[in-house]
Amino acid sequence: YELTQPPSVSLSPGETARITCSGETLSDQYVHWYQHKSGQGPVLLIYRDRERPSAIPDRFAGSRSGTIVTLAITGVQSEDEADYYCQSTVGSEAVIFGGGTRLTVL
Amino acid sequence: QVQLVESGGGVVQSGGALRLSCVVSGRTNFAMHWVRRTPGKGLEWLAAISPDATSKFYGDSVRGRFTVSRDNSKNTVYLQMSGLRPEDTAIYFCAKGWVVSGLYLGMDVWGLGTTVKVSS
Repeated sequence: YELTQPPSVSLSPGETARITCSGETLSDQYVHWYQHKSGQGPVLLIYRDRERPSAIPDRFAGSRSGTIVTLAITGVQSEDEADYYCQSTVGSEAVIFGGGTRLTVL
Repeated sequence: QVQLVESGGGVVQSGGALRLSCVVSGRTNFAMHWVRRTPGKGLEWLAAISPDATSKFYGDSVRGRFTVSRDNSKNTVYLQMSGLRPEDTAIYFCAKGWVVSGLYLGMDVWGLGTTVKVSS
């Protein structure tokens, strides 16, 4: 089982970034999204496709269309430069991550 | 507020062993995961252990070489690594599994990681 993400996304400040995650297992499993900056631990941004932990700003949003799940970041800022990973499960015993997407703010 | 602190990383020769620790501040009644970030492959899930240590799960790349355990009396989770290979070089993170009413909601607390380098 694999989760596929675009390797990189580049855009200017204020634009909206959309990062997709696709995979066969997503037909019956949820996706969670993480932001990872160098020197820090990853941060949970979105859980169960579209739910947001209380500390995460509403600029971050998740959505789903079939087996493609999307993380949208509206009004991108320089502080959003990071690697973003989707994560799902295979049954109840294994966890898988996507390959990660490097977000660059020009 | 749960906090996680990893330790035990270092430099080890290929074929060697290392034990990583993750100290949990606060409650310990939740599942714990080990995840690594390799230079070329991003995040990779390695292992998980249930709150009472009765269930353990492993990723394909480490099954049979790595062992996860926990000592709740010491608020510590361990990852015993053996048969280390250069491709195991990575930053290793422990993470708390977030479960509410039996629903898995991801990993909501992470440590800063500990670095392992395996030399050939």
